[in-house]
Amino acid sequence: AQKITQTQPGMFVQEKEAVTLDCTYDTSDPSYGLFWYKQPSSGEMIFLIYQGSYDQQNATEGRYSLNFQKARKSANLVISASQLGDSAMYFCAMREGQAYNQGGKLIFGQGTELSVKP
Amino acid sequence: GAGVSQSPRYKVTKRGQDVALRCDPISGHVSLYWYRQALGQGPEFLTYFNYEAQQDKSGLPNDRFSAERPEGSISTLTIQRTEQRDSAMYRCASSLTDSGTAHTEAFFGQGTRLTVV
Repeated sequence: AQKITQTQPGMFVQEKEAVTLDCTYDTSDPSYGLFWYKQPSSGEMIFLIYQGSYDQQNATEGRYSLNFQKARKSANLVISASQLGDSAMYFCAMREGQAYNQGGKLIFGQGTELSVKP
Repeated sequence: GAGVSQSPRYKVTKRGQDVALRCDPISGHVSLYWYRQALGQGPEFLTYFNYEAQQDKSGLPNDRFSAERPEGSISTLTIQRTEQRDSAMYRCASSLTDSGTAHTEAFFGQGTRLTVV
């Protein structure tokens, strides 16, 4: 069963506008972490933001924020004031488990290709 | 080193040959992961280690794939009798704490692009 779903293969946004990249997940584990990574055309994987399942507040890191809706099992990434350098592939990922020897691995979604237009 | 280092960056091999891909994690990082990424897809989990112990190898596609981390630092992913379908980007990642927490991000290396001809 697919655990991370990113339904937008590609997105376009105008420079300086905000954009939301969707991510839904599926888990029966009460403890999990949600991550977003950016992969530019150079191929590197850059960590952006993390949200824990028990966190009360939505995570924010500069222009990135995570819209965490636990009941809906969604963890959408919001990028405010888009810049040309934001053009990249974006991956949502989940890690389950908090007990020792559980979890560990990150399960990734299929990704969303974001293109920022000048 | 400053980041996760993988070598070689590119590897072209003939079908049927064995290949060994190396990963040097960030110094002091306990956990090490191997992923495979096809073009346009998300990384697919292969296996991971805490220190030298292989905790989960459920993602290894078949018994031609194996990995080791004998001293809890550098790791090698070995593919025996390579096939064309093994062609992909192989990525290594490391994280600071052991994987007993959901709350630690993984830092990725640049990857090894494997092409089997």
